[in-house]
Amino acid sequence: QVQLVQSGSELKKPGASVKVSCKASGYSLTNYAMNWVRQAPGQGLEWMGWINTNTGNPSYAQGFTGRFVFSLDTSVSTAYLQISSLKAEDTAVFYCARGASSGWFRGTPTSFDYWGQGTLVTVSS
Amino acid sequence: QSALTQPPSASGSPGQSVTISCTGTSSDVGGYNYVSWYQQHPGKAPKLLIYEVTKRPSGVPDRFSGSKSGNTASLTVSGLQAEDEADYYCSSYAGSKNIVFGIGTKVTVL
Repeated sequence: QVQLVQSGSELKKPGASVKVSCKASGYSLTNYAMNWVRQAPGQGLEWMGWINTNTGNPSYAQGFTGRFVFSLDTSVSTAYLQISSLKAEDTAVFYCARGASSGWFRGTPTSFDYWGQGTLVTVSS
Repeated sequence: QSALTQPPSASGSPGQSVTISCTGTSSDVGGYNYVSWYQQHPGKAPKLLIYEVTKRPSGVPDRFSGSKSGNTASLTVSGLQAEDEADYYCSSYAGSKNIVFGIGTKVTVL
């Protein structure tokens, strides 16, 4: 069965970096896009962008350029989200989500059929 | 890109129907037939309920249905059950290779 298993919660100080992993199983990582979604405490979902798992080419949503990096290690079927120069306002749960095979539009996955369990990143001094 | 507008809450008794709206603009909801809906229980990951406005992934009960008129999409949950109590989010393709989510609606089963 398809599973996305994310790394555990992180507590970081402002200015530090964090790398969240998302290990895919039950399917081939390179057959589906991988998206990242942020959910601040008590808030809604925010699409951060996605990475083409064939080419490794990332695409970032507005507001997620610069400090946010999507990457892959296909040898271990894992996608990564790295955030640098952490700020208190980065405190959130971050989800990886597989782009569904149907519903692509203009080269963008528009729906997400499997999600990781989420990784809480807390930024506090 | 502004979040899509959803009512903060909705409620219904078991067996009844509840409809949640998702209002955007002609640049997102109204411009494309790529609206999705997700259900999120507290502390859990979202689950895809509807994609491309009206389509249900396999395994999603047909009690969940989607529609769209103009700049507003809707999710209807028929035959409400206790386990339907959750937060619901819409999303839409928003042009320029972007996806925007709604602000979310908390559904309470009375």
